[in-house]
Amino acid sequence: NAGVMQNPRHLVRRRGQEARLRCSPMKGHSHVYWYRQLPEEGLKFMVYLQKENIIDESGMPKERFSAEFPKEGPSILRIQQVVRGDSAAYFCASSRDNSGEQYFGPGTRLTVT
Amino acid sequence: RKEVEQDPGPFNVPEGATVAFNCTYSNSASQSFFWYRQDCRKEPKLLMSVYSSGNEDGRFTAQLNRASQYISLLIRDSKLSDSATYLCVVGHTGGFKTIFGAGTRLFVKA
Repeated sequence: NAGVMQNPRHLVRRRGQEARLRCSPMKGHSHVYWYRQLPEEGLKFMVYLQKENIIDESGMPKERFSAEFPKEGPSILRIQQVVRGDSAAYFCASSRDNSGEQYFGPGTRLTVT
Repeated sequence: RKEVEQDPGPFNVPEGATVAFNCTYSNSASQSFFWYRQDCRKEPKLLMSVYSSGNEDGRFTAQLNRASQYISLLIRDSKLSDSATYLCVVGHTGGFKTIFGAGTRLFVKA
């Protein structure tokens, strides 16, 4: 019974490079959420997706960030031209519906040097 | 006003103590409520759902007051392993995002 999987677990990028974070939801879950967490801070909602659709991206910066959840394959959070301020833990969660009962992956820790 | 507000703490309590966390939410249309737990540098994990009638799971009791728009979590007989950050979560149906509170940090000491 695999849980939510994220990879890579740790990612180091130089300023200006692209970061691609992957999330495979739990089996049977069609709702995916991405959150960002800075050290000593709370979770910040970024985007909510269902298969092939972005439902709510109100928490995602309008520039450099994009997310997708294709019909086949994992959800991808893409950050172009990374800057030091993008360094954070990025958590993905999935759910069967949008009630709030979400299951989180272990996160990807992005470090921008 | 934040959509979901929690006392950030930290709460420092001895083992065996009873501790209560409160959380308020601003959207009266909210329909589902949860408590999550997050250990340092780990992912949040669902602790329990919160039902209108209140619910209990071992040493943990959650209650919901819709009229006053707040949720509470009571931990009895605190253990060292209860040390973590507790997140209040409010959900909506119909395609709206789930809102996480900033969390309340708990330290249980021997």
